[in-house]
This record gives sequence, C-alpha cells and structure tokens, in this order.
Amino acid sequence: QSVLTQPPSVSGAPGQRVTISCTGSSSNIGAGHDVHWYQQLPGTAPKLLIYNNSNRPSGVPDRFSGSKSGTSASLAITGLQAEDEADYYCQSYDIYLSYVFGTGTKVTVL
Amino acid sequence: QVQLVQSGSELKKPGASVKVSCKASGYTFSNYVMNWVRQAPGQGLEWMGWINTNTGNPTYAQGFTGRFVFSLDTSVSTAYLQISGLKPEDTAVYYCARERPMDHWGQGTLVTVSS
Repeated sequence: QSVLTQPPSVSGAPGQRVTISCTGSSSNIGAGHDVHWYQQLPGTAPKLLIYNNSNRPSGVPDRFSGSKSGTSASLAITGLQAEDEADYYCQSYDIYLSYVFGTGTKVTVL
Repeated sequence: QVQLVQSGSELKKPGASVKVSCKASGYTFSNYVMNWVRQAPGQGLEWMGWINTNTGNPTYAQGFTGRFVFSLDTSVSTAYLQISGLKPEDTAVYYCARERPMDHWGQGTLVTVSS
C-alpha cells in the first residue's frame, strides 16, 4: 500500500482532457518534495514524463502537463490520443519511506 | 545516447539465488546513481533502493533488506542486483533506472521463481 494514492483508472474519448490525481501527505508532497510522473506503455519499461512537478523532458509532447498544490499533484493530458493508453505513476520522496511511487492509474482511451 | 541494458529472463527454484545485471553506456557511469525498481505481475512500481555509483554505497528501501544486494563493477559500467533465498513472491520484473528523477530505464528482467 503506497503512501501516494492515485485513482485506479480514468478514461476519456479521443481529443478530451483527463486528469490524474496523486494524493500524498505532510510527510511527502506536503513537505515540499517534488513530484515526478512516469508513463508505462503496455509491456514496456516506464518512461519519465514529467519531472519536478511540471517540467517535461525533451521529446514529451506539451499535451502532458503537471502541477502540484499542498499535499497533492496532478497530471493532465489534453487532446487525448490512442497512444496515450498506458499506466501512469507519480513519484515523490517521503521522509519516512524515502522514494515512493503512487499506486498507479490506467488510462483508457474510449 | 544513454542506454541501460539488462540481462535476460531467469527461471529459478525457491531457495536459489539470482544476479541481474544492468550495463550502462552513453554517459559517465559514476556520475549518476542507479536505482532498482520491482514490478510484480499485474502490480505497480516499487522502489527497492539505490546505489551510489561513485562510492559503491547501497541504500535499501523498507522490505528489501537482508536478501537483496546491490553491487557494481565500474570497470564495465555495470550495476548488479542479487537476490538470495528466492521465494515465489519474488517473481517480478526488475528494472534498473538512472538517477532521480529516473530519467533512463533498463528494459527490465523477468525473474520467475517456481518449483
């Protein structure tokens, strides 16, 4: 059971906007630690999608954006595409557990 | 370009040991830490810990002490994960991943523990 909670699944039609929440606490996100997001396409290794709350690595489309507020963070995907169907994980640092991943969210494109 | 290439799948019996390798290329190995991440079948990602590739000092996450050992061979830019006393619940894909945030990942190594 992770200390970072995500919804198990979210879905949307092509072109729509979806958001994934990552809820933490005062020992991790709320303590000011950065949040990173990873995308895991089916059968592949995870890939860094957003780092330090809202920054995109080179090559990541600007359809992906991240934000952080208080003890939570969010990943938004605008203009949803079929290729975005994947599992998404947030990650942060917890003062008791060190580096932790969120529970993961499966994005389905309808 | 940065690459992390892991060793192939393993099938082991309970009680055996396994050593997974992660060979790095395209960057200075000792300048970036190496993490290990476990993903059990159908489950999420679990951070196992990391190793300082400059000093060789490992740090293990809760639940990964005792049977899990991180090591290095800096002469060949390779990190290793060894698991001893394998149990069926160790069946998982094990990933190496560079730095934090984890900007490059190996392709994963499936370790299956079954009698």
